[in-house]
Amino acid sequence: KAGVTQTPRYLIKTRGQQVTLSCSPISGHRSVSWYQQTPGQGLQFLFEYFSETQRNKGNFPGRFSGRQFSNSRSEMNVSTLELGDSALYLCASSPQGATEAFFGQGTRLTVV
Amino acid sequence: QQPVQSPQAVILREGEDAVINCSSSKALYSVHWYRQKHGEAPVFLMILLKGGEQKGHEKISASFNEKKQQSSLYLTASQLSYSGTYFCGTHDMDSNYQLIWGAGTKLIIKP
Repeated sequence: KAGVTQTPRYLIKTRGQQVTLSCSPISGHRSVSWYQQTPGQGLQFLFEYFSETQRNKGNFPGRFSGRQFSNSRSEMNVSTLELGDSALYLCASSPQGATEAFFGQGTRLTVV
Repeated sequence: QQPVQSPQAVILREGEDAVINCSSSKALYSVHWYRQKHGEAPVFLMILLKGGEQKGHEKISASFNEKKQQSSLYLTASQLSYSGTYFCGTHDMDSNYQLIWGAGTKLIIKP
C-alpha cells in the first residue's frame, strides 16, 4: 500500500510569491490534515479536510488556504509569502479524523 | 488548548529507562504518541483510548489516566534507535475532534 505522498519535497520561493503544495493520501483515506513545523514550534495545525469539506481550521492567516478533491488528494496554497512561512509542511491522512494518522515526508519551503 | 509535554528533553545512556508525560487541561478522549527522527516524518507509535488502557509496542508502552487527564510513555531499556522527538496528540472534543499536539520531547540516547 503506497504511503502519503507530498510534492514537491523542496521548494524555494521569493517573498510575495505564492505556492501550492500537494498531498496524495493513502488510498481509501478520506481525512487529510496539514501542519506547519518549525524548530521550537512543534506541529502547528493548519486545517483538516474530510470528503472535500474543511472540517477544522487552525489559527493561521487567510493567506493559507486549502482544498480537497473528490479523489481525496489535497492541496494547500500560501499567497503573498513571508520569510516566516519558511517551514516543513506536513500532511497526514487517516481513514477518518479520530484514528491513527499517517504522515507524508513533508515539503520543505524556504522563503528568501 | 495544546497538551503539555514533560520533560522538554532528556539524555540517556543506552539501556536506561525514560518516561515522557503528556497532560491536558481538557478531558481526554484519546491520546496518540508519535516519534519523529531528524529529517523524517512523524511515525505512529500507539493510540490509547478512554478507559485507562495500557498499550505496548516493543519495549515502549504507555498509560492513559483519564481522571488525571494525562498519558505517560515508558521507554524501557532504551536503544540507540529510540532517539528522536516524541509528540503526544489529543483530540479536542470542542473542535470536531481536531488532533492537537504537544510541543514534543527530544530524546537523545548515547552509547
